[in-house]
Amino acid sequence: DAGVTQSPTHLIKTRGQQVTLRCSPKSGHDTVSWYQQALGQGPQFIFQYYEEEERQRGNFPDRFSGHQFPNYSSELNVNALLLGDSALYLCASSLGGVSGQPQHFGDGTRLSIL
Amino acid sequence: AQSVAQPEDQVNVAEGNPLTVKCTYSVSGNPYLFWYVQYPNRGLQFLLKYITGDNLVKGSYGFEAEFNKSQTSFHLKKPSALVSDSALYFCAVRASNTGGFKTIFGAGTRLFVKA
Repeated sequence: DAGVTQSPTHLIKTRGQQVTLRCSPKSGHDTVSWYQQALGQGPQFIFQYYEEEERQRGNFPDRFSGHQFPNYSSELNVNALLLGDSALYLCASSLGGVSGQPQHFGDGTRLSIL
Repeated sequence: AQSVAQPEDQVNVAEGNPLTVKCTYSVSGNPYLFWYVQYPNRGLQFLLKYITGDNLVKGSYGFEAEFNKSQTSFHLKKPSALVSDSALYFCAVRASNTGGFKTIFGAGTRLFVKA
């Protein structure tokens, strides 16, 4: 039973560039959430996708956008990268129609901005 | 607005001794509460959750947590710590009355268990 997989594991970009991160949810899950975890901090909610729609969004600028595909996989896009975007980006999947379910996390993509 | 506070950056305990990692929360309505653990260079792993019912919930690896509504707390406990329990622990809350979409995490508490 494959868990949540994220790619790439590491990425180095420069300011102003754009990046796309990818996530495949755990088998059977239909909901994907994205989080940003800066060094020494807890994960910060970016947004959640369910049925290919953004269902809820955290306090992140429009430079952060996403997409969910019919097979439930998801992408996180970040435009006009800033130094402060350097972080571990975590994807988490769950069953969207069932309240109170825990999330299953991937190991993340570590993004470094130079 | 939802929030989670983990008042201790680090907890130190000797192997074999009981451990407690503290968490308090603020949410409108009834909360869904979770504990996750993170090992170096890994994602978060689910330990346990409180949704409703018994205030004492049991989870993975011998961990348990007690929900206290009056104190808005959800402290993580284990009767006998292991060196392998050393990791970063996160408390999280989700509001049940908004459909439960957005999960808020605390800043984390690093647990160090000494042999």
